[in-house]
Amino acid sequence: GQNIDQPTEMTATEGAIVQINCTYQTSGFNGLFWYQQHAGEAPTFLSYNVLDGLEEKGRFSSFLSRSKGYSYLLLKELQMKDSASYLCAVRDSGDYKLSFGAGTTVTVRA
Amino acid sequence: DGGITQSPKYLFRKEGQNVTLSCEQNLNHDAMYWYRQDPGQGLRLIYYSQIVNDFQKGDIAEGYSVSREKKESFPLTVTSAQKNPTAFYLCASSRDRVGSSEQYFGPGTRLTVT
Repeated sequence: GQNIDQPTEMTATEGAIVQINCTYQTSGFNGLFWYQQHAGEAPTFLSYNVLDGLEEKGRFSSFLSRSKGYSYLLLKELQMKDSASYLCAVRDSGDYKLSFGAGTTVTVRA
Repeated sequence: DGGITQSPKYLFRKEGQNVTLSCEQNLNHDAMYWYRQDPGQGLRLIYYSQIVNDFQKGDIAEGYSVSREKKESFPLTVTSAQKNPTAFYLCASSRDRVGSSEQYFGPGTRLTVT
């Protein structure tokens, strides 16, 4: 099974940078996903990491350290539309099921 | 446009009634999933299917049932045996279950049982 922790809430100013941390404990690791979910809507895929290091995709970057059971999602040049919940999900290497963290609600203020 | 549809968006039922939530995808994906989302908790897997006519229980399958008679469709029935059915239900699909294959989510059905 998986145990996934991420902060409940974060607040930042428009144009700033925010880093959302995710730590996990797993019996077998087969990839980590980040999703964005606006209130009342479906989660949408942001990034996927399976090897250590940084994956950059426009204003969003995701980092993974498998030895530390740690990932972060970096949001740069924050915009009001980035106000949403960000979900960290880890895939198990045994049954390939995804386990989700409770999500981090990011509020962007003007 | 390819995607996943769920209907209805809002559903109200009386306690003791079974209710079926619809999920259809036209992405030609093999794998489909049902999750429920409750406030302050992560998505929890109810059932998943890797291929037509096959499905597996997830972490919280009690009180739910599914079928996968067609590749495009994966309906979920919430039975009267489910003790806390009020939740936001999300259907998802993926090309397969491994590699970088991410899950695509439908818009969700918010079920309220009174």
